[in-house]
Amino acid sequence: DADVTQTPRNRITKTGKRIMLECSQTKGHDRMYWYRQDPGLGLRLIYYSFDVKDINKGEISDGYSVSRQAQAKFSLSLESAIPNQTALYFCATSTSGGPTEQFFGPGTRLTVL
Amino acid sequence: GIQVEQSPPDLILQEGANSTLRCNFSDSVNNLQWFHQNPWGQLINLFYIPSGTKQNGRLSATTVATERYSLLYISSSQTTDSGVYFCAVDPYSSASKIIFGSGTRLSIRP
Repeated sequence: DADVTQTPRNRITKTGKRIMLECSQTKGHDRMYWYRQDPGLGLRLIYYSFDVKDINKGEISDGYSVSRQAQAKFSLSLESAIPNQTALYFCATSTSGGPTEQFFGPGTRLTVL
Repeated sequence: GIQVEQSPPDLILQEGANSTLRCNFSDSVNNLQWFHQNPWGQLINLFYIPSGTKQNGRLSATTVATERYSLLYISSSQTTDSGVYFCAVDPYSSASKIIFGSGTRLSIRP
């Protein structure tokens, strides 16, 4: 079984709809992250959480919100989706205690029409 | 903020060729990772290499932190090596918020 899973893997929605992307991990890591990738570009950080009670904005948080329901679960919401939020979204995890390796889920391909 | 530059942006090679991908970064970093994004979009961890040299089969990587660059070597390329290779750095100032380069797109022709 995959250590970091994301649901759904693909989603098509319409402008103005609320949508939630979910991430679960079995690695036992404290830290979780949400990134987006636009075509031809690297990943950019949306939000990150160092533990259940610690959530922080990343580089491009406008239009997004997150919820850390448990150590193993971190959800990303688009309150009112817009077409320029069409992208590939990745969840990642890492251990705590200084700089460590990040591990990525398989990604969610989101299309906003 | 820190700048992460990868070169070349695109590389087309015949199967069996060797290649070197470069990652330059503009400030000191805590760590550096290399990833391979396959044609299906999945990100695969290749190396976690804040400094020194590591090898894994046909791939190896070297990071010279004092000179702010890292190199990824791919020997005897196979078509399955095709995809985009990213380096990502964790700047000293960022507390584990890694910054990605824009990637090198590698195409291996049979």
